[in-house]
Amino acid sequence: QVQLQESGPGLVRSSGTLSLTCVVSGGSINSNNYWNWVRQSPGGGLEWIGEISQSGNTNYIPSLKSRVTISKDMPKMQILLTMTSVTAADSAMYYCARGGWGNPGDALDLWGQGTVVIVTS
Amino acid sequence: QSVLTQPPSVSGAPGQRVTISCIGSSSDIGAGFDVHWYQQIAGAAPKLIIFHNGDRPSGVPDRFSGSRSVTSASLAITGLRAEDEADYYCQSYDGSLASSVFGGGTKLTVL
Repeated sequence: QVQLQESGPGLVRSSGTLSLTCVVSGGSINSNNYWNWVRQSPGGGLEWIGEISQSGNTNYIPSLKSRVTISKDMPKMQILLTMTSVTAADSAMYYCARGGWGNPGDALDLWGQGTVVIVTS
Repeated sequence: QSVLTQPPSVSGAPGQRVTISCIGSSSDIGAGFDVHWYQQIAGAAPKLIIFHNGDRPSGVPDRFSGSRSVTSASLAITGLRAEDEADYYCQSYDGSLASSVFGGGTKLTVL
């Protein structure tokens, strides 16, 4: 049974760089899936950040594209999110999620529990 | 500002039927991209309840159903139960942005 577990620093300084990790266990990170990052600000809705395909192709939401990189560490079975120049607006719960059918924009059929990020001044 | 438009809230009594709409545009739902629905109970991660417009993952009760028309979609919940109280989100794909997009979410209250 595939599981996703996110982790991160919790607190990040404003203008700094945020790095999050999603560990994929119980399955292959090289499966025909898109791996996604989604965030949710306190009391807010879901915001899709981006995705990475089996072959490493990436897509990002235009508003974050200049600051975000999603990558994979195959040996460690990890999906990585890096976000530069963070501000208070980036404070949120960050989720890792699997696209279930191997296409961009797939339904996200598996989610991690999320990791909280707070940007401090 | 969400690309997909949902009502902020809906409510219904136990046993009743409620529907939640998701209005898109010609670049997402109207372009033929599928709509998916998620349920998020307070304090938990979202859970997929409808994919590809109307299919249900294993374990999701058939009280939940989805449909799609030209530029919109709907989630219907029949036989409302207290445990259905949650936030519901629709998702589709914007071909012009090459991005997934979510609706703003709808809070369902079971009276």
